Amino acid sequence: GQQLNQSPQSMFIQEGEDVSMNCTSSSIFNTWLWYKQDPGEGPVLLIALYKAGELTSNGRLTVQFGTTRKDSFLNISASIPSDVGIYFCAGQGTGRRALTFGSGTRLQVQP
Amino acid sequence: DAGVTQSPTHLIKTRGQQVTLRCSPISGHKSVSWYQQVLGQGPQFIFQYYEKEERGRGNFPDRFSARQFPNYSSELNVNALLLGDSALYLCASRSTGMNTEAFFGQGTRLTVV
Repeated sequence: GQQLNQSPQSMFIQEGEDVSMNCTSSSIFNTWLWYKQDPGEGPVLLIALYKAGELTSNGRLTVQFGTTRKDSFLNISASIPSDVGIYFCAGQGTGRRALTFGSGTRLQVQP
Repeated sequence: DAGVTQSPTHLIKTRGQQVTLRCSPISGHKSVSWYQQVLGQGPQFIFQYYEKEERGRGNFPDRFSARQFPNYSSELNVNALLLGDSALYLCASRSTGMNTEAFFGQGTRLTVV
């Protein structure tokens, strides 16, 4: 099935470092969402974006909805050990409630 | 408030068997969707139900079916299980309205042997 192109596939960083990941698509989406998934759990919603060009921050998270509506970016500042997990982007098109997910970015943080 | 709840949490089945997975949405949410997540990949959309009607279907064979009940809970059925059906099955619920987000349950881990 269709998936978004998410990169990088994995990251190993030191505590306190900043992290950037992105998601691209050949299709236009009207909504971009970012989820975090811990082992054995379901994805937990971090943030949602509804407007092209929108830049939103939530604590140490900053997310942008690309102006072309075909990409999105997630930044985490000053990483901490509990940031460890798999981060997924997801796009939602017009009139459809189904989400198309990226393949995930696995983040590991060294204390 | 309770989030999306799924049962069972883990399940082991033999090839050819049938399985039923259950989901209770967040109170007040009328829309339920099902996703399959194979190890190492993102979730793949299977079905969406709203007000007991199917509103969307992903690229899955007819062995997969679902339904939604008057209380908005939902069941996912998979017949003639294959080894490749082994995955984490996720249920998501959302409220109605323009900009509503999907909230996921913890999933049911299905292993087909």
